[in-house]
Amino acid sequence: DTEVTQTPKHLVMGMTNKKSLKCEQHMGHRAMYWYKQKAKKPPELMFVYSYEKLSINESVPSRFSPECPNSSLLNLHLHALQPEDSALYLCASSQPWANTGELFFGEGSRLTVL
Amino acid sequence: AQKITQTQPGMFVQEKEAVTLDCTYDTSDQSYGLFWYKQPSSGEMIFLIYQGSYDEQNATEGRYSLNFQKARKSANLVISASQLGDSAMYFCAMREGRGSTLGRLYFGRGTQLTVWP
Repeated sequence: DTEVTQTPKHLVMGMTNKKSLKCEQHMGHRAMYWYKQKAKKPPELMFVYSYEKLSINESVPSRFSPECPNSSLLNLHLHALQPEDSALYLCASSQPWANTGELFFGEGSRLTVL
Repeated sequence: AQKITQTQPGMFVQEKEAVTLDCTYDTSDQSYGLFWYKQPSSGEMIFLIYQGSYDEQNATEGRYSLNFQKARKSANLVISASQLGDSAMYFCAMREGRGSTLGRLYFGRGTQLTVWP
């Protein structure tokens, strides 16, 4: 079982809706990530939080708004999305000081924008 | 230039046989890390194996081994005794810099492995 839990697993929303994706980890990791993955493509980095502070924003449109309420939780707020935003959204976590730095991923949230 | 290149879009292997998935990388950093992830159709990215740039021995994890050839900048994944459950997309990835930095992971395009009975 994955130690990074994402909800919901599937989400369908209209372009005018507001929704949120949630991610939770209990491994004590202090870095958390959002990736976007289109079908048959590799994941693309969106945001990185380190110690609950946003440290990397890969020029993501403002209709995606991340939030890190505490060290275990990561949210991605969605508003006024476009159909091309339909994708698998993966959350990941890691230990910033780990020698290897591997990321642990959740199962993802499959988003469909109508 | 792509930082990670996986030249095999698809690979097929018979159950119980070994298979090698190719990965080459491009970096000017002396310190970097190489990873392999497995992604089944369910979507989760599963970490398989890690190789650090200063590691002299090839990494091994159960049936997975990483054939690290630093001079050729290659980091091929070898899966021994393939199983039907190994059918998945496999991504090679690289982190530049030391692990304690928050370097992003650069992913290759992936190789779809199909194991047949």
